[in-house]
Amino acid sequence: EAGVAQSPRYKIIEKRQSVAFWCNPISGHATLYWYQQILGQGPKLLIQFQNNGVVDDSQLPKDRFSAERLKGVDSTLKIQPAKLEDSAVYLCASSPRSFPYYGYTFGSGTRLTVV
Amino acid sequence: GNSVTQMEGPVTLSEEAFLTINCTYTATGYPSLFWYVQYPGEGLQLLLKATKADDKGSNKGFEATYRKETTSFHLEKGSVQVSDSAVYFCALTGANSKLTFGKGITLSVRP
Repeated sequence: EAGVAQSPRYKIIEKRQSVAFWCNPISGHATLYWYQQILGQGPKLLIQFQNNGVVDDSQLPKDRFSAERLKGVDSTLKIQPAKLEDSAVYLCASSPRSFPYYGYTFGSGTRLTVV
Repeated sequence: GNSVTQMEGPVTLSEEAFLTINCTYTATGYPSLFWYVQYPGEGLQLLLKATKADDKGSNKGFEATYRKETTSFHLEKGSVQVSDSAVYFCALTGANSKLTFGKGITLSVRP
C-alpha cells in the first residue's frame, strides 16, 4: 500500500510571499488532516476533512491559511502571505474513518522556512 | 479541552538500559491513547495504541498501559538499542477523532 505523499519536501520563501503544499492520501482514506509542527513542539491540527467537506478548522489562521480537498482525494494547503512564525513542518495524514481508534498514517512532511 | 503532558527531555541512555518515558493526559470521556515515533529524517509513525482502560499496547519491545485511575500512558522498554534513537510523542483522540499531541521527547541511545 502506497503511503501518504507530500510535496515539496522543502521550501524556503521570503516573508509576505505565498506558498502551497500538496498532499495525496492513501487510496480510499476518507479522512484527511493537515498538522503544523513547529520545532520543539508536538504537531497541532490545522484542518480536518471528511471526504471533501471540512470537519474542523478551528485552529486554522483563516486570514492567511486556506485549504481545499477537491473531489475528496488530493488536498492543498496554502499560506498567503507568509510570516516568519509560519516556519514549521507541515504534515498531512489520512485515516480510513474519523473514528478515534483507527491509526493515522502520516506523510513525510514539508519543511517550510520563512526568511 | 484535551491535553497531553510529557516528561521533559532529552533523554540519553546507554544501550541495553531500561527506558521509561512518562505521559499523562487530561480529557473528557474515554480517549484512545497513542505513542508515535519520529526517526531522524522520517515522518511520524504509529508505535502503539490502547483504546480503553487497562489495555496494554505493545510493539517492537515497547509497551504502554492505559491507566485511567492515574490518567497515564507511560512508555517502557526493557533494553533499548541504538536504533531506538528518535523523538517520541504521546497523543490522544477524543470523540471528535482529533489527535492531540504532547511536546515530544528526544531519546538518544549510545553504544
